[in-house]
Amino acid sequence: DVKVTQSSRYLVKRTGEKVFLECVQDMDHENMFWYRQDPGLGLRLIYFSYDVKMKEKGDIPEGYSVSREKKERFSLILESASTNQTSMYLCASSLSPQRQSNQPQHFGDGTRLSIL
Amino acid sequence: LAKTTQPISMDSYEGQEVNITCSHNNIATNDYITWYQQFPSQGPRFIIQGYKTKVTNEVASLFIPADRKSSTLSLPRVSLSDTAVYYCLLQTYGGATNKLIFGTGTLLAVQP
Repeated sequence: DVKVTQSSRYLVKRTGEKVFLECVQDMDHENMFWYRQDPGLGLRLIYFSYDVKMKEKGDIPEGYSVSREKKERFSLILESASTNQTSMYLCASSLSPQRQSNQPQHFGDGTRLSIL
Repeated sequence: LAKTTQPISMDSYEGQEVNITCSHNNIATNDYITWYQQFPSQGPRFIIQGYKTKVTNEVASLFIPADRKSSTLSLPRVSLSDTAVYYCLLQTYGGATNKLIFGTGTLLAVQP
């Protein structure tokens, strides 16, 4: 069974801090994704990566960066945290469509981040 | 990427069949229709995916008409544990990755 693990379920940080959210998957998936989820807005894609050291911007990349040094790990970085980044952050992974089509995304259980 | 439209909420009772319809008028040839389920404090979980006609698995059925401009997720004999948010998405293949756009979903409330 695919497992996507996010390092923290709850995190509280202060405005201006640099924040790291970590995600690890154990199924050798090429693709990894970071979303944020807010009431009334659904899930919105921040960044995704389709290979080691490769990344692409999603719909709301401003204020965020990512790092993928190893295939199994994808990190989301808030360079200088602000209160409007208080949210639920979800990581997901999937096989590349080139390896097998019709691949769903597998999600972690999320990190609820509060910026004070 | 094409958008989907689905009801904000639905109510049902235990043991009933529930049908959630999703509209996707601008669906592209390479788009697959995918449904996810999300419980509170958990990430979304894949339920079912289809391209056309009907797909059935152990938890749900997906009906897609010939024009593919809508789709219906059918949950047979729901129980209280099926109370969740259900998302309809279009998943486009052919590129380097299968990027998804999630809407606000349908909150299904199952009552005893």
